[in-house]
Amino acid sequence: AQKITQTQPGMFVQEKEAVTLDCTYDTSDPSYGLFWYKQPSSGEMIFLIYQGSYDQQNATEGRYSLNFQKARKSANLVISASQLGDSAMYFCAMREGLVGTDKLIFGTGTRLQVFP
Amino acid sequence: DARVTQTPRHKVTEMGQEVTMRCQPILGHNTVFWYRQTMMQGLELLAYFRNRAPLDDSGMPKDRFSAEMPDATLATLKIQPSEPRDSAVYFCASGSNMKASAGTDTQYFGPGTRLTVL
Repeated sequence: AQKITQTQPGMFVQEKEAVTLDCTYDTSDPSYGLFWYKQPSSGEMIFLIYQGSYDQQNATEGRYSLNFQKARKSANLVISASQLGDSAMYFCAMREGLVGTDKLIFGTGTRLQVFP
Repeated sequence: DARVTQTPRHKVTEMGQEVTMRCQPILGHNTVFWYRQTMMQGLELLAYFRNRAPLDDSGMPKDRFSAEMPDATLATLKIQPSEPRDSAVYFCASGSNMKASAGTDTQYFGPGTRLTVL
């Protein structure tokens, strides 16, 4: 069974608007971490935001926020005030367990295009 | 500005040749990962090390791939012999499990090596 599901292959958003990128996950481990990475056309993978399974509040990092709905097993990324530079592939990832750095399982990604 | 570095950034080689990719993790990080990215398979974990010891290489074709950490500042991924189906971007990532708030540590990726096997 797929552990991380990103159902949107591509999304479009107008500059300065907000956009939500969907991510659902599957795990039986009560301890886990959820990550979002950005991959621009240059190819590097850039860490954006992290949410732990026991975190009470949704994570935020600047214009990025993670809408964590534990019961639904969803961890959607919200980008506010989109900028042209936000155009990229976005990957959701999960680590099972919270202790230390362990392997990540990635979704298939969503390509976001921001237009003027 | 601490970063993971990878060399070479691009490599074009012929089928059957040996390929060696190198990674320098962020200083102080004790965990190193090798990922492969293709259009068909997406991002796949090949292998990872903690404190230079291999922990998991189940994602790696054993007959032709090998991964090592000769020291804490160098990780290598070798393919011998290379095949066209190995064409991909290979990422190295590093992280640390030694922080007090272990749940917040993450993996930081290098720029990748784009490998083309003809």
